[in-house]
Amino acid sequence: GAVVSQHPSWVICKSGTSVKIECRSLDFQATTMFWYRQFPKQSLMLMATSNEGSKATYEQGVEKDKFLINHASLTLSTLTVTSAHPEDSSFYICSASHRGIYGYTFGSGTRLTVV
Amino acid sequence: RKEVEQDPGPFNVPEGATVAFNCTYSNSASQSFFWYRQDCRKEPKLLMSVYSSGNEDGRFTAQLNRASQYISLLIRDSKLSDSATYLCVVNIGSSASKIIFGSGTRLSIRP
Repeated sequence: GAVVSQHPSWVICKSGTSVKIECRSLDFQATTMFWYRQFPKQSLMLMATSNEGSKATYEQGVEKDKFLINHASLTLSTLTVTSAHPEDSSFYICSASHRGIYGYTFGSGTRLTVV
Repeated sequence: RKEVEQDPGPFNVPEGATVAFNCTYSNSASQSFFWYRQDCRKEPKLLMSVYSSGNEDGRFTAQLNRASQYISLLIRDSKLSDSATYLCVVNIGSSASKIIFGSGTRLSIRP
């Protein structure tokens, strides 16, 4: 079946540093990947839609200069949290569709803690 | 009004009980619908897609009512392992461009 690999699974960083999260589709090509953020006891919130070879589409309220998304190939999308602050601490998850509109596979998530 | 709404629960039911969740969506042009399951501190996993004709997978039955714009999930003979958060997911785009998650319904099965 379709597998999406995401790493790191957890990271602790100092305030002001940048963190890069990678999301790879291992056995299929993903022209579109999605990035979500989930705070404790809340639902997943779509941050942006990552399109291979073009700029990402950000949801309202998500700072594109802070959350840099690069989708350089059909199997890799990266999310970089720049100048991270404690309020950016959250669970970040990527997903990709491998069968058009039928079903989405998620990465295992990255738990970011900014201290 | 939220694009996708769910009763957050928690639902606390005894093992063996039947439990049902509903989810409403606001965009009548929504294309596809899914139920996902998320365990604590894990990523969501697809439980089942929801088709207009309704579909069943073992103890789980999903139904779609386009006229009233809601989908439902029925779990029969619930097991302890069914304890999780169930997320309603709606694709509101004409392609795989925008999928929206409900806030999730927490289910706890007690022995």
